[in-house]
Amino acid sequence: GDSVTQTEGPVTVSESESLIINCTYSATSIAYPNLFWYVRYPGEGLQLLLKVITAGQKGSSRGFEATYNKETTSFHLQKASVQESDSAVYYCALGEATGGNNKLTFGQGTVLSVIP
Amino acid sequence: EAAVTQSPRNKVTVTGGNVTLSCRQTNSHNYMYWYRQDTGHGLRLIHYSYGAGNLQIGDVPDGYKATRTTQEDFFLLLELASPSQTSLYFCASSDWGGAEDTQYFGPGTRLLVL
Repeated sequence: GDSVTQTEGPVTVSESESLIINCTYSATSIAYPNLFWYVRYPGEGLQLLLKVITAGQKGSSRGFEATYNKETTSFHLQKASVQESDSAVYYCALGEATGGNNKLTFGQGTVLSVIP
Repeated sequence: EAAVTQSPRNKVTVTGGNVTLSCRQTNSHNYMYWYRQDTGHGLRLIHYSYGAGNLQIGDVPDGYKATRTTQEDFFLLLELASPSQTSLYFCASSDWGGAEDTQYFGPGTRLLVL
């Protein structure tokens, strides 16, 4: 089946430093799945951070960006300068249509702590 | 703004107990989902539904029932709870269920089975 592997957490970064959270995927039934990053802030549900549906394209939101690389089957999340408010759990996910349903396969989540 | 609420937020029960987790969405979305998340694992799909009265089997359905009573309400039932079902449960909704569709999540219910 499909799988998503991301950076083991927790990741601790000082404010204004750069960040990269690695994500690699394996899609068994579709060549070009849709790729997502979701984020969960303390006490809240997951919310979409960004998504990319076309290989080779880059998505960006709130200063974060991720590029869909089909050669390396990767979708790493990067930010040039993190803020304390970015402390959260980040989930990489792969989406494909299965019988009309958007089936999401999630990575295990990466806990990010930003130190002021 | 999409809104998905879950209740209760925390639940403790004993082995063999009967538990119902509730989810309501006010987005007028067609699809609703139940996931569980365990340490070291991503979210795993238990059941989902594309409308009132409909139920589809997810990837980890054993030990769970679900019922979609209205477009807004989706319930997860654990009729004989076991310690292996201790987990963080998320409900989500999406509009049309397509591969590009964004899912909107509730805040989660933390369940402890003693």
